[in-house]
Amino acid sequence: QQPVQSPQAVILREGEDAVINCSSSKALYSVHWYRQKHGEAPVFLMILLKGGEQKGHEKISASFNEKKQQSSLYLTASQLSYSGTYFCGTVSVAGTSYGKLTFGQGTILTVHP
Amino acid sequence: GAGVSQSPSNKVTEKGKDVELRCDPISGHTALYWYRQSLGQGLEFLIYFQGNSAPDKSGLPSDRFSAERTGGSVSTLTIQRTQQEDSAVYLCASSSLGGANTGELFFGEGSRLTVL
Repeated sequence: QQPVQSPQAVILREGEDAVINCSSSKALYSVHWYRQKHGEAPVFLMILLKGGEQKGHEKISASFNEKKQQSSLYLTASQLSYSGTYFCGTVSVAGTSYGKLTFGQGTILTVHP
Repeated sequence: GAGVSQSPSNKVTEKGKDVELRCDPISGHTALYWYRQSLGQGLEFLIYFQGNSAPDKSGLPSDRFSAERTGGSVSTLTIQRTQQEDSAVYLCASSSLGGANTGELFFGEGSRLTVL
């Protein structure tokens, strides 16, 4: 079962903030965030392990609420370089899904000058 | 150091033909993943290897798809009797950690498959 991302698309002006959400119906061990620019391979942003930690990368940070099986990616003071498709990936706790990293459908982020 | 290498980068084939896609992961990476990405779509999980074993093959779309990994290194994804709906970019990724501790995935540039 793949995670569900929202919104599907976001359009921003440079300097504005955005939040991308990711939710799963399964108990999660970890949440992974990647960004893919058009015509390129996905690039790693960060991993969050269960425990509710929040991590940051440049002006991009994320949180993980393991009780709700939800994660949010926060982009502050967006830059043109932030444009791309953001994917959340999840690893479930146990069972046949053990170790399987499944991605959501992606959120297309467009930043305009 | 070299990243994840995939070949061919582009493959055009006729419906019904078999194709093989190759992935050369980063040296020493024990975990290897195959994903499929159709035009404008997300990353569809196909299969995951830990060493030479595939704990989860549940994402393979049909029995026309198979994959193997030898020597804990190179992996081959084979699609038999290709269909037009198989057209997509096939992405391979490797990680130094697998299982529940799956770490950062390093993706290759992908193999773009077009089935006519």
